Formats: sequence, structure tokens, C-alpha cells
Amino acid sequence: GAVVSQHPSRVICKSGTSVKIECRSLDFQATTMFWYRQFPKQSLMLMATSNEGSKATYEQGVEKDKFLINHASLTLSTLTVTSAHPEDSSFYICSATDGYNQPQHFGDGTRLSIL
Amino acid sequence: QKEVEQNSGPLSVPEGAIASLNCTYSDRGSQSFFWYRQYSGKSPELIMSIYSNGDKEDGRFTAQLNKASQYVSLLIRDSQPSDSATYLCAGSGSQGNLIFGKGTKLSVKP
Repeated sequence: GAVVSQHPSRVICKSGTSVKIECRSLDFQATTMFWYRQFPKQSLMLMATSNEGSKATYEQGVEKDKFLINHASLTLSTLTVTSAHPEDSSFYICSATDGYNQPQHFGDGTRLSIL
Repeated sequence: QKEVEQNSGPLSVPEGAIASLNCTYSDRGSQSFFWYRQYSGKSPELIMSIYSNGDKEDGRFTAQLNKASQYVSLLIRDSQPSDSATYLCAGSGSQGNLIFGKGTKLSVKP
């Protein structure tokens, strides 16, 4: 149980392109979903927290107009990287939880490479 | 600032030995704690949850929680080379989030 599906697993695209990443909880209803970014050999960095039907809460330093998050249902959240540039190249990982004090279950991540 | 602290390692143990990973946390309000394993280039994978003081065993893994000392640990018995990974400790936050440590890199030598 507690499976989180994240797609696509890898994206390579040109600078200026917008990229959408989907995160789905397959066998549970996710009250909250989280988006992380991880650069090579660095720790996870929380970008934003999203609750179904609400605006996402972004961490300090994360541009909300650059990283658009939509959490339209209890099983689906999307992250859109708008007008991506090479410095946005990173490993993006989503996670989902079904309640307070419960674990987060992670998707497999999306490796984004902007040329 | 609520924090979870871990020794970054690397922690190197021989195959078959016990690996001991430790974590301290600053938020006394944290109710639950989790250990995740992250292989290089992969996303974190939940391996243990612990909610009350004491020990919790699952196969070769034992998690220990001491809320008075604000200390969480993970013991891996009979360590295998396949256990080589970064281990992340996390405590529950007040916003429904988890507060992650930076991780301890474990290397199990054959």
C-alpha cells in the first residue's frame, strides 16, 4: 500500500520550455502533498506544501510564479516549472501523506535537464 | 528553528556488523519519527516508523525512540552491501509536514 506515482521520470528540454510533473497517490487519499528539489550530493529541499483545494504554501526563496502547483483532487498534484532555464535542472520529488503525524510516501522523482 | 540533526558520515561498517545511526531533534512537540533510505540517484523510501518511546523491530531493522532525550536511532543488524545508502531521519512538524535531517551516508564493506 501507500504508492505514489510520479511522471515523467525524466525530461530533457530546451531553455524556455514549461514542464509539467504529475504526482498521484494510487491507493490512498492524500490530504497533503509536498514538492522537493534535490541537487547532486545535496539534501532534500522542500519547495512547497499543497493541500487539496487550497493554494500551495511555498518555502522562502521559492518563486511561486516560477513553480506553479495545482492540487485539484485528493489524489493528484501537479508542479509546472514555467519557462525553465538550465539552473532549474534538478531532481524533483513529490511526496504525499494521509494525515498529521503520518509518514510521507515519495514518488520516484523526475530528473529535469534543461539544455 | 525546528531541526533534526544527524551525523553526515560517512559511516563505514564491515559486512555482517551492526550499523548504528543516530538522530536528535529540537521540537518536543514532534509526535512521530521516521527513517528513510535513499540510494544514490533515487527518491527516499520509508523503512521504519516509530511513535512511542522504546524499541520497534522490523526484520534486521530496529528503531529506538527516547522522547525525554529527544533522540532517535536506527540499528541495522547483519549489515549487507545493499544497505549502503543515505539514511534520513524525520520528525513530524506542526504543519503536517516532516522535518528531515540531512542524512547519514552508510557504507557497508564486503
